[in-house]
Amino acid sequence: DTAVSQTPKYLVTQMGNDKSIKCEQNLGHDTMYWYKQDSKKFLKIMFSYNNKELIINETVPNRFSPKSPDKAHLNLHINSLELGDSAVYFCASRQVGDYGYTFGSGTRLTVV
Amino acid sequence: GEDVEQSLFLSVREGDSSVINCTYTDSSSTYLYWYKQEPGAGLQLLTYIFSNMDMKQDQRLTVLLNKKDKHLSLRIADTQTGDSAIYFCAESMVSNNNDMRFGAGTRLTVKP
Repeated sequence: DTAVSQTPKYLVTQMGNDKSIKCEQNLGHDTMYWYKQDSKKFLKIMFSYNNKELIINETVPNRFSPKSPDKAHLNLHINSLELGDSAVYFCASRQVGDYGYTFGSGTRLTVV
Repeated sequence: GEDVEQSLFLSVREGDSSVINCTYTDSSSTYLYWYKQEPGAGLQLLTYIFSNMDMKQDQRLTVLLNKKDKHLSLRIADTQTGDSAIYFCAESMVSNNNDMRFGAGTRLTVKP
């Protein structure tokens, strides 16, 4: 029983395409996040959702859009993919009052 | 990670102790964390420490916090080859968002 699961694990696509990455957590957590990890392993927060409200949105291009159909899901849609979008994207979740996040195993996106 | 800094690489021999260092800049940080990332996997929370503590020990792991110097360290005793991974330092403040900022990660290599 995976706590935070992401699909797909690997995604190879051409420039200009639109793609989605899905994330689901079965922990009952009320906040979910998307992080981007670049080739140098640097982690940058992209979005977080708390009770279906976007509460963090760093300087991320508007080609990226998070969508949360319910508390257990936070999907990431990316339009017009660019080479620089190639990275590993991690989903994470947290319960308010708890310490630390629970991370998914990541989605490696390669744009060619 | 511009608020949290770590050295990028550390190499030790099996059986030795490893010490991974981290500095942070935000004096209002309340919680400090160490995460471990094994190849192809997500981040796993190893341990955390409150800013009002100086030290926390958990089996082979010892966390030291020098709040005055904003310096955090993770000591792994009797380092094993299975400890080879990237270790991320992270900090957060008390807030509803509990936004977590990560360092760039220290790649620990354990040689037999």
